[in-house]
Amino acid sequence: SAVISQKPSRDICQRGTSLTIQCQVDSQVTMMFWYRQQPGQSLTLIATANQGSEATYESGFVIDKFPISRPNLTFSTLTVSNMSPEDSSIYLCSSLSGHGYTFGSGTRLTVV
Amino acid sequence: SQQGEEDPQALSIQEGENATMNCSYKTSINNLQWYRQNSGRGLVHLILIRSNEREKHSGRLRVTLDTSKKSSSLLITASRAADTASYFCATDFNTDKLIFGTGTRLQVFP
Repeated sequence: SAVISQKPSRDICQRGTSLTIQCQVDSQVTMMFWYRQQPGQSLTLIATANQGSEATYESGFVIDKFPISRPNLTFSTLTVSNMSPEDSSIYLCSSLSGHGYTFGSGTRLTVV
Repeated sequence: SQQGEEDPQALSIQEGENATMNCSYKTSINNLQWYRQNSGRGLVHLILIRSNEREKHSGRLRVTLDTSKKSSSLLITASRAADTASYFCATDFNTDKLIFGTGTRLQVFP
């Protein structure tokens, strides 16, 4: 199955700033996704990253807050914009290929 | 929104005992998967069961699926301290989006 390199692994950011998280997959994959995991909670799907077009966002998530890029079949970024302490979470990317789903190791974001 | 509800939310057992976790979901599915997560980080895929399957085994893991009740269970037999983790069910339907349940935190005491 595909292997995902996600970075940064963790960051502490000031409120009002933005952070971009990157995911690089070692092979071309059909689909890529971004999830948020708030402290002590399960994973919530933010959006499906579409190659060459705008991401498809789930209810409660908007492009202005979580802009996503996917310029090719192996790479995607998620930006958390204008951060507040409520954005403190783990953010994970995921890919889907013929071998199934793979997850990045996550980015632990703390907003102070 | 979450697709599935899992129970119990937390489970504490002694090494050697069996652990059973249940997952209920809301809509039709293609597949149901179980994942383990240690320390709130990376997800480890445990097992996948298709909608036309009723039971599947992998080592000490046994998964059942009842599509009429929209529920699944994960049984870990002869648990070990290393099984301590959070366990999540996840379902997918026609969109290929993987939607996770609320999770069960398992603590296995030596």
